[in-house]
Amino acid sequence: DIQMTQSPSSVSASVGDRVTITCRASQGISSWLGWYQHKPGKAPKLLIYAASSLQSGVPSRFSGSGSGTDFTLTISSLQPEDFATYYCQQGNSYPLSFGGGTRVEIK
Amino acid sequence: EVQLVESGGGLVQPGGSLRLSCAASGFTFSSDWMHWVRQAPGKGLVWVSRINTDGSSTVYADSVKGRFTISRDNAKNTLYLQMNSLRAEDTAVYYCARDRPGNNYFFDYWGQGTLVTVSS
Repeated sequence: DIQMTQSPSSVSASVGDRVTITCRASQGISSWLGWYQHKPGKAPKLLIYAASSLQSGVPSRFSGSGSGTDFTLTISSLQPEDFATYYCQQGNSYPLSFGGGTRVEIK
Repeated sequence: EVQLVESGGGLVQPGGSLRLSCAASGFTFSSDWMHWVRQAPGKGLVWVSRINTDGSSTVYADSVKGRFTISRDNAKNTLYLQMNSLRAEDTAVYYCARDRPGNNYFFDYWGQGTLVTVSS
């Protein structure tokens, strides 16, 4: 099974800051990596698929990069609505798996 | 507009059973793979199961294999999760999610979730 490790587990940031979250897979997954935003009581939202493709309707301040085992989600200028928990997910093989999550908090 | 609405959650005793439903609308349900994902209280997201378009192929996480069964009724646009032999560790919010067309294995639409609590 593929283990996904995210860092940091939480980050405090201000509106307008650039935020970077990393995700590492325990084995190579090519570009089979997605990123999700999750707010309490809400449905998770797909932001990025295939490592760097922006899901329709997602603001361009979100971007993804990486391949193989190391991936990054970047929020270029943090907005008030971006405070949430972010998860990476590998789609390379079953069982599909998520990282432990990164909570983005208001500084 | 794509909508996924889960139902059927509740309180059940250890060893008991529950069937979750997910009503789909706003897309051609019979054309898309579907998944169940869960989140235990205070924990992260965990993938549970996947079903293909006609129900002929299913995959499960080891933690639920042999106890849970995913199925679908394309005529009713509904996804199901039959959960048997429930354990305390199955307590979670259960989400249904659509497999992103054209890029399998990512989830592009999710429901709001239904809470399952396993406790005596």
